[in-house]
Amino acid sequence: GAGVSQSPSNKVTEKGKDVELRCDPISGHTALYWYRQSLGQGLEFLIYFQGNSAPDKSGLPSDRFSAERTGGSVSTLTIQRTQQEDSAVYLCASRISGVGTDTQYFGPGTRLTVL
Amino acid sequence: QKEVEQDPGPLSVPEGAIVSLNCTYSNSAFQYFMWYRQYSRKGPELLMYTYSSGNKEDGRFTAQVDKSSKYISLFIRDSQPSDSATYLCAMSGANAGKSTFGDGTTLTVKP
Repeated sequence: GAGVSQSPSNKVTEKGKDVELRCDPISGHTALYWYRQSLGQGLEFLIYFQGNSAPDKSGLPSDRFSAERTGGSVSTLTIQRTQQEDSAVYLCASRISGVGTDTQYFGPGTRLTVL
Repeated sequence: QKEVEQDPGPLSVPEGAIVSLNCTYSNSAFQYFMWYRQYSRKGPELLMYTYSSGNKEDGRFTAQVDKSSKYISLFIRDSQPSDSATYLCAMSGANAGKSTFGDGTTLTVKP
């Protein structure tokens, strides 16, 4: 069955370059989240999309980070002018809500290394 | 101080042991409480999800929430080597929007 997919799985870039990370959520899931996870740390919330509502961007660490979700499905996280401290695993999750259920599914992540 | 504090571990137990994993939180607005399991180089996998205080059981796993103490636990009975992973607690508000995660506890179950 199709789960959440992310691409690329690994990305190595040079400081100052822009990168785009892609997330394909599970079909029919109305909510989509981006998190990042540094080595040995928990997940840091970045941004949350819910249906057609304005996204919750409260976790984005700086204006170099942006995300969009096209057609309520695929999402792209863009990091401009990357810095070494941006190195982390970027995780995407999608969620479907219903009576008695609120299950969030994660993708495998994109491991970003900024040299 | 972080909103969610998780016992840091690491934990190492023999196969068959009962494992207790714990988190405390400070935000009384949290309504949904989740436990995730994360294997190395994989995304987190939702194990248990509870809403409000009380216990919820699923096979060898029991999630416990005590809102009065702002304390949640995950118990694993008859632990197996395949349970070796990092366990993350997470919480969210009434609209089940963004979740706040603990830093994780790494568990090793030795055969």
